[in-house]
Amino acid sequence: DAGVTQSPTHLIKTRGQHVTLRCSPISGHKSVSWYQQVLGQGPQFIFQYYEKEERGRGNFPDRFSARQFPNYSSELNVNALLLGDSALYLCASSSVGTENEKLFFGSGTQLSVL
Amino acid sequence: AQTVTQSQPEMSVQEAETVTLSCTYDTSESDYYLFWYKQPPSRQMILVIRQEAYKQQNATENRFSVNFQKAAKSFSLKISDSQLGDAAMYFCAYRSGVGYGGATNKLIFGTGTLLAVQP
Repeated sequence: DAGVTQSPTHLIKTRGQHVTLRCSPISGHKSVSWYQQVLGQGPQFIFQYYEKEERGRGNFPDRFSARQFPNYSSELNVNALLLGDSALYLCASSSVGTENEKLFFGSGTQLSVL
Repeated sequence: AQTVTQSQPEMSVQEAETVTLSCTYDTSESDYYLFWYKQPPSRQMILVIRQEAYKQQNATENRFSVNFQKAAKSFSLKISDSQLGDAAMYFCAYRSGVGYGGATNKLIFGTGTLLAVQP
């Protein structure tokens, strides 16, 4: 079975632009989470979605938004890009979104904002 | 707010030797989970081991074991018989026991320890 897949793997944007990152969870997984990992830091939680509903949101500005589709895939959108948005964006999925579950991570999208 | 601290930015170990990575955390919660994740150059976060706070017994997974000191809020990872494939960035992480309906996949990560394995 395929793991968590993210696209694109790398992306270069300029300040002020908008970006959409995509994530396909493991087949059968209904919960998707997004993390931002700035160089030299640990990942920071952005969003969790379960059954298309937002379950939690980290301390990120409203420029960051996400949604989950009926097939449980997800998009992360970032508007008005800033240089500080340059980071690795990781997606993780789990089966039913309970705290006992294992999280499975994708290999991320590396976003560079120039 | 919960915090996770990893005070060793880099560690090095000889192949076949044992190494211990340190992690401390701060929380006022009684129900939580602790994790060690490995991030190789492929960038994918891989779960190494997890510990439920309510369990007194330290978790073990093959060559990996933890020393969980709840009162001291310490959670160290011991890697025995180190192998070249163990070289990676290691992150300690915390998850609240929020129960169903909450942000159950919200992990709080430390800043990581880069482990080098010398042949």
